[in-house]
Amino acid sequence: GQQLNQSPQSMFIQEGEDVSMNCTSSSIFNTWLWYKQDPGEGPVLLIALYKAGELTSNGRLTAQFGITRKDSFLNISASIPSDVGIYFCAGQSFNKFYFGSGTKLNVKP
Amino acid sequence: DAGVIQSPRHEVTEMGQEVTLRCKPISGHNSLFWYRQTMMRGLELLIYFNNNVPIDDSGMPEDRFSAKMPNASFSTLKIQPSEPRDSAVYFCASSYRRGGETQYFGPGTRLLVL
Repeated sequence: GQQLNQSPQSMFIQEGEDVSMNCTSSSIFNTWLWYKQDPGEGPVLLIALYKAGELTSNGRLTAQFGITRKDSFLNISASIPSDVGIYFCAGQSFNKFYFGSGTKLNVKP
Repeated sequence: DAGVIQSPRHEVTEMGQEVTLRCKPISGHNSLFWYRQTMMRGLELLIYFNNNVPIDDSGMPEDRFSAKMPNASFSTLKIQPSEPRDSAVYFCASSYRRGGETQYFGPGTRLLVL
């Protein structure tokens, strides 16, 4: 099946720092989605990207759909303690979604 | 918007018992997905439906698992008989296509099989 490589696996940063994480695949996707999951909760959709090259922002979050359609990145600017959680990327192809293994973000106040 | 609704939120059962998980997708969404999440394997797609029809069940672990979607507003995932290795969080998600595919998750059912 299709695999997504998400990196880094975990990050420890200081409050106020910027964060960057990315996902790559050997396959082409039609849609890239970024989710955040808090403990005991389901993944919550943060940003959806539908076109190659698309750059979309949601508050302090910015994500881009790679030109090759095989990668995407998520940036978080000026991190705050409530950004703590696990961030997942997901690529969509032929009605199915494939998920990365997640980036665990820790923010020190 | 109520979002995707799942019940129960928590389930503890004994090995060999039947377990039924329920999901109500977001109104107007035409695809429904069942996922399983564990620490070891992450998020795994079990099965998905499009317009109430099962499209891909290749992720269903074995015959003990079955899923149905009798109408656009309800789906069940059944495990019979349950085993300890089925312990996981089971998520239902629904999606719609409007320019692109967007998927929303429910809060999950935490299943523990003793």
